[in-house]
Amino acid sequence: QQQVKQSPQSLIVQKGGISIINCAYENTAFDYFPWYQQFPGKGPALLIAIRPDVSEKKEGRFTISFNKSAKQFSLHIMDSQPGDSATYFCAASVRGSTLGRLYFGRGTQLTVWP
Amino acid sequence: EAQVTQNPRYLITVTGKKLTVTCSQNMNHEYMSWYRQDPGLGLRQIYYSMNVEVTDKGDVPEGYKVSRKEKRNFPLILESPSPNQTSLYFCASSLKKPGQGGSGANVLTFGAGSRLTVL
Repeated sequence: QQQVKQSPQSLIVQKGGISIINCAYENTAFDYFPWYQQFPGKGPALLIAIRPDVSEKKEGRFTISFNKSAKQFSLHIMDSQPGDSATYFCAASVRGSTLGRLYFGRGTQLTVWP
Repeated sequence: EAQVTQNPRYLITVTGKKLTVTCSQNMNHEYMSWYRQDPGLGLRQIYYSMNVEVTDKGDVPEGYKVSRKEKRNFPLILESPSPNQTSLYFCASSLKKPGQGGSGANVLTFGAGSRLTVL
């Protein structure tokens, strides 16, 4: 059973546009939600993360929006650039869990056209 | 340089020939994990380790073995590889396990990946 559902699978955006990637979860115990960015031929790297005590976190052009009641969170990339073309993974984990699990979504391949 | 090093980066092998993919980190991280990445399926966790001699199964452990005899190393062993294990494999580590510790403690550092083809 997939713990974190991510959409869309692929996304094409024009340069300067807004890219939006959505994730949803069912486990209300999740309390840490990171996003990882992966460039072709590289391993993923942390982009930005949020905890559920805030509804939004912004770092430069990247913003996470979190809706606790809907059990959804999303990544917004403002003024998308060709250099943002990558695969993006959302993820979730439970703080304090005895397990060492970070559950990833299936990823979104973003292409930004110049 | 702080990093996770995987070897080999590329490997073509045949069904049934045992192989080991090594993973080493130089950051004194407690938590280490193996993932496989397949098109449309994202990153699926194979095994993880929360410390020396402590390992546990992820979502897709069948056909794989791991060991954590030293803190820095976490090899992935395929005792009898099969074609369905053809995949891109990533090792990752973090100071603490996911969700534990303060800011940055549970950020995963990934290796560059090992592309495995089983014929």
